[in-house]
Amino acid sequence: GENVEQHPSTLSVQEGDSAVIKCTYSDSASNYFPWYKQELGKGPQLIIDIRSNVGEKKDQRIAVTLNKTAKHFSLHITETQPEDSAVYFCAASIGSGGSNYKLTFGKGTLLTVNP
Amino acid sequence: DSGVTQTPKHLITATGQRVTLRCSPRSGDLSVYWYQQSLDQGLQFLIQYYNGEERAKGNILERFSAQQFPDLHSELNLSSLELGDSALYFCASGTGRNHNEQFFGPGTRLTVL
Repeated sequence: GENVEQHPSTLSVQEGDSAVIKCTYSDSASNYFPWYKQELGKGPQLIIDIRSNVGEKKDQRIAVTLNKTAKHFSLHITETQPEDSAVYFCAASIGSGGSNYKLTFGKGTLLTVNP
Repeated sequence: DSGVTQTPKHLITATGQRVTLRCSPRSGDLSVYWYQQSLDQGLQFLIQYYNGEERAKGNILERFSAQQFPDLHSELNLSSLELGDSALYFCASGTGRNHNEQFFGPGTRLTVL
């Protein structure tokens, strides 16, 4: 089955700096790659996603890049703010066309933005 | 707020007992996914239902079962509970139609004593 590796496990940055989290996946059939932000005591919140027919997607301070050949994708957060502090998860999914889109998650990255 | 609701928020029970976790998907979503989150295993897919039918199974124990009702809400039943079943259980919903986005509920924290 699919395996997703995520690095680093912890990341500490100064407010205003950029943060980059990287993930690799094993199954070349994966075609959907979401990123989730989880704050303490809450459920994962979808913040951005990318599909395999796109190389890059941006939404304000957040961007995601995908390299299908190397089977890796990354989350970039620019101008970080203290409220960006949370655990971030990458995930991969194979759209089988049969309404089955289970997500395989990385282990998570604890991002701390220091004021 | 994702629009997905889960009850109860917290559940404390004893080993050997049975519990039921409930999930209501976002309006219009036909797919419900259940995930377990623990410190050692991370977020793991358990099972998916689409419009009342089971569509996929992940690392779900035989002691666990789920169903989706005609009104599309779903229940996850956990029986013969063990200490190791203590975890956060999340429900996510999605349209399930060529659309992969999944929106997570707030979760149920299960503690087995």
